[in-house]
Amino acid sequence: DGGITQSPKYLFRKEGQNVTLSCEQNLNHDAMYWYRQDPGQGLRLIYYSQIVNDFQKGDIAEGYSVSREKKESFPLTVTSAQKNPTAFYLCASSQTRGTTNEKLFFGSGTQLSVL
Amino acid sequence: LAKTTQPISMDSYEGQEVNITCSHNNIATNDYITWYQQFPSQGPRFIIQGYKTKVTNEVASLFIPADRKSSTLSLPRVSLSDTAVYYCLVAPAGGSSNTGKLIFGQGTTLQVKP
Repeated sequence: DGGITQSPKYLFRKEGQNVTLSCEQNLNHDAMYWYRQDPGQGLRLIYYSQIVNDFQKGDIAEGYSVSREKKESFPLTVTSAQKNPTAFYLCASSQTRGTTNEKLFFGSGTQLSVL
Repeated sequence: LAKTTQPISMDSYEGQEVNITCSHNNIATNDYITWYQQFPSQGPRFIIQGYKTKVTNEVASLFIPADRKSSTLSLPRVSLSDTAVYYCLVAPAGGSSNTGKLIFGQGTTLQVKP
């Protein structure tokens, strides 16, 4: 089946620790995105990438880092600089790159909590 | 970037038609309007997309007036399983410096009651 796979489903971070959330897609999509969702809130854009080896900051990039070495993979690292990392993290991809009728396909999310 | 405004919440009863309106006053000429549905602890999923007038699929209808400054998602005969958060998204125009920066609003929480 084609789709987006996020792992792990649940992740716990100790203070001062960096953790990496995985996002893999086999849809052959060019663009990939990371969103953060706090309880009862909407989605906030962390980073996005429209092509391999290129990515841009979203609205809340501080304390996060990404890489896009392969088309199908867009891992997100939550660094120790992110002081309030507890949230639901969603990865998405879209087929079109930079056009106005992009349709996003989302993964099932990773819930990150701080120990 | 076109900012969107939706009601925070709505209540309905099973079998009723629900209309959720989204305001996007500074929509660009080439922007499309897309609606997503999200259940708790899941990623949003695509419902419908349109540019102008009316679009209908097996799930919903989307009405967009001539000035395109708003849009209305219409869900016919809702059921309990339609209880979810609904997001309106307006995509940046292709070629702009913000291309690909897809920003979601707060969404509308729809509660369907028996």
